[in-house]
Amino acid sequence: EVKLVESGGGLVQPGRSLKLSCAASGFSFNDYWMGWVRQAPGKGLEWIGEINQDSSTINYTPSLKDKFTISRDNAQNTLYLQMSKLGSEDTAIYYCVRRGWCDYWGQGVMVTVSS
Amino acid sequence: DIQMTQSPSFLSASVGERVTLSCRASQNINKYLDWYQQKLGEAPKLLIYNTNNLHTGIPSRFSGSGSGTDYTLTISSLQPEDVATYFCLQRNSWPLTFGSGTKLEIK
Repeated sequence: EVKLVESGGGLVQPGRSLKLSCAASGFSFNDYWMGWVRQAPGKGLEWIGEINQDSSTINYTPSLKDKFTISRDNAQNTLYLQMSKLGSEDTAIYYCVRRGWCDYWGQGVMVTVSS
Repeated sequence: DIQMTQSPSFLSASVGERVTLSCRASQNINKYLDWYQQKLGEAPKLLIYNTNNLHTGIPSRFSGSGSGTDYTLTISSLQPEDVATYFCLQRNSWPLTFGSGTKLEIK
């Protein structure tokens, strides 16, 4: 069974950084592109970025490029999202997604940016 | 960026009714269009990929069609468990972009 489990969310002060993790299981992690999507409360979905199998290609939605860094550790079957200079507009649920057809999503992790 | 426009934004229909949701792209997306269902408090779930391919385990009452810039998700006979918000996603070009969603409820 494919499972994606995000962690690392919580309450963070404006201007601070936070790193999310996504633990993958049930499939060959190093065979897939992976991505991150977020959803602000009561809002729609926004694609953040994606990373290829060997981390040689990383694409970001241009408007978010300066705030997020995506990485992965294939030995640990883990995807990461480093977030910096967080603002209230970054308050959202963050989802880890298996790319390709974006067929599997994690349950999401909530990040709240507030003083 | 490719803009995705979904309509209607809200839809109320009766159990057993045929329901059609639309998604329009600002340019040709070559059938790289997927549909997701998101129930309250849950992660989105893939229903249809590449316009008309039913994802594993999805009931056959869901179907998709379209080409170019215009795409449709059809539920042939609405069931109570179909209450959800439905999003489309274009994967033709970067950045990937979602529609704003259609919220579907039972009348």
